[in-house]
Amino acid sequence: DAGVIQSPRHEVTEMGQEVTLRCKPISGHNSLFWYRQTMMRGLELLIYFNNNVPIDDSGMPEDRFSAKMPNASFSTLKIQPSEPRDSAVYFCASSLSFNEKLFFGSGTQLSVL
Amino acid sequence: DAKTTQPPSMDCAEGRAANLPCNHSTISGNEYVYWYRQIHSQGPQYIIHGLKNNETNEMASLIITEDRKSSTLILPHATLRDTAVYYCIVKKTGANNLFFGTGTRLTVIP
Repeated sequence: DAGVIQSPRHEVTEMGQEVTLRCKPISGHNSLFWYRQTMMRGLELLIYFNNNVPIDDSGMPEDRFSAKMPNASFSTLKIQPSEPRDSAVYFCASSLSFNEKLFFGSGTQLSVL
Repeated sequence: DAKTTQPPSMDCAEGRAANLPCNHSTISGNEYVYWYRQIHSQGPQYIIHGLKNNETNEMASLIITEDRKSSTLILPHATLRDTAVYYCIVKKTGANNLFFGTGTRLTVIP
């Protein structure tokens, strides 16, 4: 199994631009999570889905952030418009079911200039 | 979820056992202890978890005290590739928000 696949690996963009991060969970996993990691705040859960349905988005920082999971094998995290303070590593993770251990992708390093 | 306390950093000689402590004095009866680690530039990796009995797998052993207020993760023969930040997390059954905290930065020294 290829594991959780995230793209792009690195993204550099200018303030105000739209950014879309992509995630392919492990086949057969029913839960998907988006995390953000910064030096100041560590790893924070942004949102998670169970069976493609968003369960808890209370960690999404503001309306500029949105996440979708149109099917079991794909999810996106969009930031529009992006700001320099959004610079971070964004991780996607999936698990077999709601209460199982998480498998993380390699992350997307986002830099907003 | 209960909070955890870990030392910010530790060193371990290559080939020796690495013992990483975690304090979770406010843990409740339905909360599990999970350990993850994050190697530089990678996503976190699951290591092991337990409720009250000691657990062992191919990566590590988890020793939980009888009162469940603390635990120790043991890497029996540390290698250079075990250098990472190790996170001790307490999580309720049915909850999915893993609060990672700041963890322990383990450096394995040749």
